[in-house]
Amino acid sequence: AQSVTQLGSHVSVSEGALVLLRCNYSSSVPPYLFWYVQYPNQGLQLLLKYTSAATLVKGINGFEAEFKKSETSFHLTKPSAHMSDAAEYFCAVNFSGGYQKVTFGTGTKLQVIP
Amino acid sequence: NAGVTQTPKFQVLKTGQSMTLQCAQDMNHNSMYWYRQDPGMGLRLIYYSASEGTTDKGEVPNGYNVSRLNKREFSLRLESAAPSQTSVYFCASSEIGQGHPEAFFGQGTRLTVV
Repeated sequence: AQSVTQLGSHVSVSEGALVLLRCNYSSSVPPYLFWYVQYPNQGLQLLLKYTSAATLVKGINGFEAEFKKSETSFHLTKPSAHMSDAAEYFCAVNFSGGYQKVTFGTGTKLQVIP
Repeated sequence: NAGVTQTPKFQVLKTGQSMTLQCAQDMNHNSMYWYRQDPGMGLRLIYYSASEGTTDKGEVPNGYNVSRLNKREFSLRLESAAPSQTSVYFCASSEIGQGHPEAFFGQGTRLTVV
C-alpha cells in the first residue's frame, strides 16, 4: 500500500543548527510531494513542493528539500534554525490523481532551543 | 485577500447535538476539501468537492455530511455529534488541472464533543 512516513514525531535543535526533517514514501512511481508548516493554532501553509522539474526544491523561509528516487525520500532541511521555525511540519504525497489523493504524514514537531 | 475562511473557530457540543461548520474561499478555486486533524494521525480527508455541484467521500466520511452551496462555499455537517468527533477541522481549496497544485487551508475549527 502507498504510504508516507515521517521519522520522529518530535525533533529538537539548537538555534543556528541544521534542521533535518525526514520523509519517506512507498510507491513504485515517483509521486508529487509537498511540505507544509503549521504554526500553533493556525492552518497549514505550503513550504515547498516537488513536481519533477528539479530534484532540489527551494521553499520559503530558507527551507529546501531534495527528492531522492533511489531512497524514496523527500527530506526537509534548513542550514540554520531560527526560533521562528518552531512549528509542526507535514510531508504530503500525491501518488496519483487530484489533490483528494494526497496522503499526509503524521507530522513532526520542531522545537528550537535558544 | 482572506483566502479560506472557516467559522466558527471554536465550538463545544454535547453528544447528540448537531452543527454545521462553514467554509468559504475567495480564490475562485474549483475544488474544496474537509479534513480532520488528530494528534499523531496527520490530516485525514473527510469529504471533498472536485467542482461545484459534486461531492465525494474521503477516507473518514462516517458521521458527516457536506454541501457545496456554490463555488465559494463548502459546509460540513455533524448530524449527531459523538465524542470521537472531537478534533480540529480544516477546510481547504485548490485549483484543478495545471499539474499538481497545492491546497490552501483555513485556520481550523476546534471542536470538542462532551
